[in-house]
Amino acid sequence: GENVEQHPSTLSVQEGDSAVIKCTYSDSASNYFPWYKQELGKGPQLIIDIRSNVGEKKDQRIAVTLNKTAKHFSLHITETQPEDSAVYFCAASKGGSQGNLIFGKGTKLSVKP
Amino acid sequence: NAGVTQTPKFQVLKTGQSMTLQCAQDMNHNSMYWYRQDPGMGLRLIYYSASEGTTDKGEVPNGYNVSRLNKREFSLRLESAAPSQTSVYFCASSPTTGFSGNTIYFGEGSWLTVV
Repeated sequence: GENVEQHPSTLSVQEGDSAVIKCTYSDSASNYFPWYKQELGKGPQLIIDIRSNVGEKKDQRIAVTLNKTAKHFSLHITETQPEDSAVYFCAASKGGSQGNLIFGKGTKLSVKP
Repeated sequence: NAGVTQTPKFQVLKTGQSMTLQCAQDMNHNSMYWYRQDPGMGLRLIYYSASEGTTDKGEVPNGYNVSRLNKREFSLRLESAAPSQTSVYFCASSPTTGFSGNTIYFGEGSWLTVV
């Protein structure tokens, strides 16, 4: 079935460095790719998303790139800060079927001051 | 504006007991969802309701039932709880019936332990 692979599962960076999280998906019909940030004890919150007709999208320190041919998309966080520490999830829409996102297993990002 | 509100926040059940998780959204969204989150498994869709009056199975529906009571409320019921249902449950909602371009808003989660 449809699958989203996310790497790495844990990532530790020094404050000010960049962080990159990568996801690959299997459903060629997927056309919507959101990224969520989940802080401890909270629900996931959308931080950025990208659609299949766009290759890159940026919002301040975060950016997402999409390569539909290779079926992968990445989250880039620049100038990381301690408050960026959280679990990040990528997701891909289940093409052709409304009402379903397939989530990656998450990346725990730790930003050391 | 509370967004997505789910209750209870924490619950301990004995195997075989039943319970209902309640969820309400005040954003006038059409679609609502129930996910479960387990360590190392990410978020998995249990059931969803594309619009008032409809419900559909997600990836892991076994052992659960849902009711879309009205546009605001979507409940999840465990008829006979099992230890495998120990998890964190998230209710969510989105504005339209399609995922393309939708933003899904999540509740704060309900921690359920079945002993």
